Amino acid sequence: AQRVTQPEKLLSVFKGAPVELKCNYSYSGSPELFWYVQYSRQRLQLLLRHISRESIKGFTADLNKGETSFHLKKPFAQEEDSAMYYCALFNAGGTSYGKLTFGQGTILTVHP
Amino acid sequence: ETGVTQSPTHLIKTRGQQVTLRCSSQSGHNTVSWYQQALGQGPQFIFQYYREEENGRGNFPPRFSGLQFPNYSSELNVNALELDDSALYLCASSLSAGAQLSQYFGPGTRLLVL
Repeated sequence: AQRVTQPEKLLSVFKGAPVELKCNYSYSGSPELFWYVQYSRQRLQLLLRHISRESIKGFTADLNKGETSFHLKKPFAQEEDSAMYYCALFNAGGTSYGKLTFGQGTILTVHP
Repeated sequence: ETGVTQSPTHLIKTRGQQVTLRCSSQSGHNTVSWYQQALGQGPQFIFQYYREEENGRGNFPPRFSGLQFPNYSSELNVNALELDDSALYLCASSLSAGAQLSQYFGPGTRLLVL
């Protein structure tokens, strides 16, 4: 069964410090991974997806198949980055096709 | 271009009742997925509809059912409500089914079962 684990429920950093939000996954096929973000009082929105290899708002994430990880990184955190972050894995087969499996989320707080 | 909308925003029901939640997909999107998000948890996949057919289903009992209409809007129906059904219900739409196409989420419907 596919699974996504975000080991840190809470993460606090100071403005300007590097930040890394951890995500590990378990999946038998070729993984398609995403990071979603939810700012206070806003809807869940896509931050980035690994197939695009893009950088959004200074965040990047590299898929490491050997370590089954897809950690989210930003070299210099900003206060506006404070939010809930979810890592998600897409199921491309079986009866649960189309399913996004989400981790439990990490609340990032960036202090001034 | 309008985003995903859901109605109602909040709902209170009692155990044993039935509820219908509605979702309008983003313009041009033909795929709708439904998720249940309990407090403090990540969203859990209920099912996905693609061109009016159920395309995939998560581990939810049959009392969770859905529909997709020709305009690609969708309904989630839950029968015989239980206390544990209290959660935020999210709808997400995408251009089509497939990992390469991002899912766009609505604001959710918060359901409380008493």
